[in-house]
Amino acid sequence: QVTLREAGPALVKSTQTLTLTCSFSGFSLSASGMCVSWIRQPPGKALEWLARIDWDGDIYYSTSLKTRLTISKDTSKNQVVLTMTNMDPVDTATYFCARIYTTSCSGDYWGQGTLVTVSS
Amino acid sequence: DIQMTQSPSSLSASVGDRVTITCQASEDIRKYLNWYQQKLGKAPKLLIHGASNLETGVPSRFSGSGSGTDFTFTISSLQPEDTAMYYCQQYENLPLAFGGGTKVEIK
Repeated sequence: QVTLREAGPALVKSTQTLTLTCSFSGFSLSASGMCVSWIRQPPGKALEWLARIDWDGDIYYSTSLKTRLTISKDTSKNQVVLTMTNMDPVDTATYFCARIYTTSCSGDYWGQGTLVTVSS
Repeated sequence: DIQMTQSPSSLSASVGDRVTITCQASEDIRKYLNWYQQKLGKAPKLLIHGASNLETGVPSRFSGSGSGTDFTFTISSLQPEDTAMYYCQQYENLPLAFGGGTKVEIK
């Protein structure tokens, strides 16, 4: 059974760095065809894909946010970490980690999401 | 980057109605399109991948079609439990991209 769970602070201040951890089970991120993405959703707004790390270490970022994002994995702990620098109130959103179905990544599983509020 | 445009942004229909949502890609994505359903306060759920392939366990009233830049998502007979947001998402290229969403309500 595949599960993913996000963890991180519920509240951060403007200019601070956000660190989110995705802990998963039911698969290994060292296995071929596995990958983990981060997606966010501001309250009442659409989904926005942020970043992905693949089983082979390939990393991809949102073009508009790539200067602020870093994604990494700890295969031994079954965790993926996302950091986002220079947080702003517009970054207030629910942040999801997920295995999104693509040609190179199998399955489609999502965490429940974690709401991060950025205060000014 | 590929942009995804969904329409309408919202719709209201009666139980039993046929509902159609369109999604347009800014460039050719072949058939590399997912459709998601998101109920209030929940994570998205994949309904269709590859533009027209229904996920296991998804009711057959849901369907998808299209290729290239123009895609359609249909609910053949709207049910009360279909009240949700629906999103298209391309996976032809990275970065991945979602459409703006369609809110489906029961009239």
